[in-house]
Amino acid sequence: QITLKESGPTLVKPTQTLTLTCTFSGFSLSTSGVGVGWFRQPPGKALEWLALIYWDDDKNYSPSLKSRLTLIKDTSKNQVVLTMTNMDPVDSATYYCAHSETSSGYYPGYWYFGLWGRGTLVTVSS
Amino acid sequence: QSLLSQPPSASGTPGQRVTISCYGSSSNIGSNPVSWYLQLPGTAPKLLIYSNTQRPSGVPDRFAGSESGTSASLAISGLQSEDEADYYCAAWDDGLNAWVFGGGTKLTVL
Repeated sequence: QITLKESGPTLVKPTQTLTLTCTFSGFSLSTSGVGVGWFRQPPGKALEWLALIYWDDDKNYSPSLKSRLTLIKDTSKNQVVLTMTNMDPVDSATYYCAHSETSSGYYPGYWYFGLWGRGTLVTVSS
Repeated sequence: QSLLSQPPSASGTPGQRVTISCYGSSSNIGSNPVSWYLQLPGTAPKLLIYSNTQRPSGVPDRFAGSESGTSASLAISGLQSEDEADYYCAAWDDGLNAWVFGGGTKLTVL
């Protein structure tokens, strides 16, 4: 059974760096064709994709946030860590991580997000 | 402004069939498979459809996805009260090199 859980601070100050950890079970991020994605959703707004890390340590980042995001995986701990620098109040949102796999081949377009964590609400305020 | 366009709302009565559309472009829906996600109030998204038409295990066959050109649709038949939720389409965009989501459609069961 695959589960994922996001953890990290609920409140960060503007300009600070946010560090979120996705701890998962039921799969290994060293298995070919597996990835973990990150998303966010401001209150009352739509989902936004942030980043994806693949089993081979390749990564995709949202172009609009690429300069602020870093993804690291720790396969031994079954964790993926997302850092986002220079936080701003507009970054206040629920942040989700999700298990990802491919339906056919390794081109990013074939990947989808099958199981999600419950999310963690992050508020950016001084 | 989302690159994938969805109607903000849809509605139907129990038992009816409802369709939610998702409009994109040649760089996303026109080139890559679409997935659909359901989000009940206050909960995490759940995968309903991947690869345009495929249902994960456990998703009832009342939910059906289709795709044509640069648009995709999610059809829900035999509408039930528990289907009341937000629905999102998503696809990879070759131009942006990013996954893009629709703005979401809030489905109300009358």
